[in-house]
Amino acid sequence: KQEVTQIPAALSVPEGENLVLNCSFTDSAIYNLQWFRQDPGKGLTSLLLIQSSQREQTSGRLNASLDKSSGRSTLYIAASQPGDSATYLCAVRNYGGSQGNLIFGKGTKLSVKP
Amino acid sequence: EAQVTQNPRYLITVTGKKLTVTCSQNMNHEYMSWYRQDPGLGLRQIYYSMNVEVTDKGDVPEGYKVSRKEKRNFPLILESPSPNQTSLYFCASSSPGTLLGYTFGSGTRLTVV
Repeated sequence: KQEVTQIPAALSVPEGENLVLNCSFTDSAIYNLQWFRQDPGKGLTSLLLIQSSQREQTSGRLNASLDKSSGRSTLYIAASQPGDSATYLCAVRNYGGSQGNLIFGKGTKLSVKP
Repeated sequence: EAQVTQNPRYLITVTGKKLTVTCSQNMNHEYMSWYRQDPGLGLRQIYYSMNVEVTDKGDVPEGYKVSRKEKRNFPLILESPSPNQTSLYFCASSSPGTLLGYTFGSGTRLTVV
């Protein structure tokens, strides 16, 4: 059964720092991997989607990488800002069976201090 | 605007009183899902649907029902709500091609007293 783990659970950094959030998954037979941002009590905003055949995706200050063989993905945030403070969730979508099922990690709560 | 719309956003109800949370998407997506989010447990899938009249259980289906009579709508039904169903609920949709990933609704915060 696919399991997704995110480390660290919480992270506090000063404004301007570059940072990396980690996501690992146990079954490499994934369709894609999606990073989301969630503000407290709010919905999920999709940040980046990486297909299984891709190595990385970039959007603005965000860069996500995927190493399917080792079951890892990273989300790199450059020049962090207080507005980046939120919980970041990683989710994988498996091949076969319930292809509709996104399996989530429990998230990394990021706090960027001014 | 492409979106997933859930209603209501907030709901307080009493144990045993049937309720329905509606979900509608305007992107012509085949896949739709319901998730619940609880502290310490993260997001867990309740039910999903791969197309009209095709639904299947997710990881935590007990106490919930769904139906998919139209492509755009995927309501979540709690026939007899209990306090352990107090949670934050999300509806999501996607196309089979998966090139665009999943789009989530804004959530429904349900409290059962």
